[in-house]
Amino acid sequence: QKEVEQNSGPLSVPEGAIASLNCTYSDRVSQSFFWYRQYSGKSPELIMSIYSNGDKEDGRFTAQLNKASQYVSLLIRDSQPSDSATYLCAVIKTSNTGKLIFGQGTTLQVKP
Amino acid sequence: EADIYQTPRYLVIGTGKKITLECSQTMGHDKMYWYQQDPGMELHLIHYSYGVNSTEKGDLSSESTVSRIRTEHFPLTLESARPSHTSQYLCASSEWADRGGEQFFGPGTRLTVL
Repeated sequence: QKEVEQNSGPLSVPEGAIASLNCTYSDRVSQSFFWYRQYSGKSPELIMSIYSNGDKEDGRFTAQLNKASQYVSLLIRDSQPSDSATYLCAVIKTSNTGKLIFGQGTTLQVKP
Repeated sequence: EADIYQTPRYLVIGTGKKITLECSQTMGHDKMYWYQQDPGMELHLIHYSYGVNSTEKGDLSSESTVSRIRTEHFPLTLESARPSHTSQYLCASSEWADRGGEQFFGPGTRLTVL
């Protein structure tokens, strides 16, 4: 079992819809969670960080964390074709200070 | 403007050559990292550093070496490049924080070894 798991997709949504991206992690002591966006051939760009249970909103993006169920999700409202990219979930474990563990990423396609 | 830089952005080189990939950051971060990523594949941590004179190997074994003589500079060296080293190399940095700190990535170096 991978430490951070994501459905590789592709996830296809129409323009204007809500895209929902999910991630599960195996280590219950994990304490920091991040979502990165990576366009093809480019480096990852940090979108959201979340540390506490619940929702965190930033513009069209909402990160949701449920430590009891060990999942973290990213919602993208009013999806745009420019949101088409691979979204990487990353986790920092308590015993792994500063070292990110990445999921394999979910490819999102937003169709006009 | 605080940022993280990598040079060169693209490098095509012959087998057996020695190469150094440069990474510098002006963000004042103590922690720096090197990742390797093949097209369409996962990111793999190959080296990291918590500060000057601190370097550690990452989760993926690599023939490359790193040094950290200055806080802002974290170069990666391959003594003898081989075609199997062809990949994208990404540098990142983060600050010290109780919960680990957010990592920010440079633009990457795409290395091709012929």
